[in-house]
Amino acid sequence: GAGVSQSPRYKVAKRGQDVALRCDPISGHVSLFWYQQALGQGPEFLTYFQNEAQLDKSGLPSDRFFAERPEGSVSTLKIQRTQQEDSAVYLCASSLARQANTEAFFGQGTRLTVV
Amino acid sequence: DQQVKQNSPSLSVQEGRISILNCDYTNSMFDYFLWYKKYPAEGPTFLISISSIKDKNEDGRFTVFLNKSAKHLSLHIVPSQPGDSAVYFCAASLNFNKFYFGSGTKLNVKP
Repeated sequence: GAGVSQSPRYKVAKRGQDVALRCDPISGHVSLFWYQQALGQGPEFLTYFQNEAQLDKSGLPSDRFFAERPEGSVSTLKIQRTQQEDSAVYLCASSLARQANTEAFFGQGTRLTVV
Repeated sequence: DQQVKQNSPSLSVQEGRISILNCDYTNSMFDYFLWYKKYPAEGPTFLISISSIKDKNEDGRFTVFLNKSAKHLSLHIVPSQPGDSAVYFCAASLNFNKFYFGSGTKLNVKP
C-alpha cells in the first residue's frame, strides 16, 4: 500500500490477556517508530528501529511491552498480561531517512481497550 | 517531564482570519521541529517542518516560526479555512532518534 498500515484498528482485550499489534511501514522505509497516545494527550515515544535493529526502547513502560522487526520491514508490538492503564491508541510511524531531517509518516493507529 | 508543551488546548478562529498555534520546548539541543495535523480516528499527518538552523519556513498558507532563544515555535495559518479544523501537534527531535510531541491544540475554524 501507499501508506503505513496498522492492524487491527480496534482491539478489546480482557485484563491479563496478551495482545499483538502489527505495523506495515511504507516500503523501503528504514526507520520505524512506535508511539502510545492516551486520550487527550500527544503521542509518546515507545521504541525505534533502524532496519531490524532496535536502537532505542527507552519509552517502553514496562517489561510487559516488547517490539520486534525481524526482517527490517513489518513490526509487531506485543503487550503481555495487559492492564487497564495500557488502554490507548498505539501509533506506528515510518521514515525513509536514517539520520537526515525528514518527517515520519503515521498509520491510523490501533485503539486498544483493556476491560 | 514534558519537553514539548502546547499550553492552549483549543483555539477558535473565524474563517479567513489568521490562526496562530504556539509551542514551547525545554531542550535547547533539539535540532528539528515539525507540525502534525490530526483528524478524528486518523493518524497524525505531517504538515510542515523547520530545521534549527532556520527561523522561518513557509509552505502555502502555512508558516512555521522558530525562536531558539525563547525556545518557542509557532504555526501560522493564513487564511484559515473550515477544513483546517483539526488537532495540531508540534514535535521536536534530537538527532532524529525520536520525536517528542506536545499535547495538541484543537483548532476550530468557524465558517
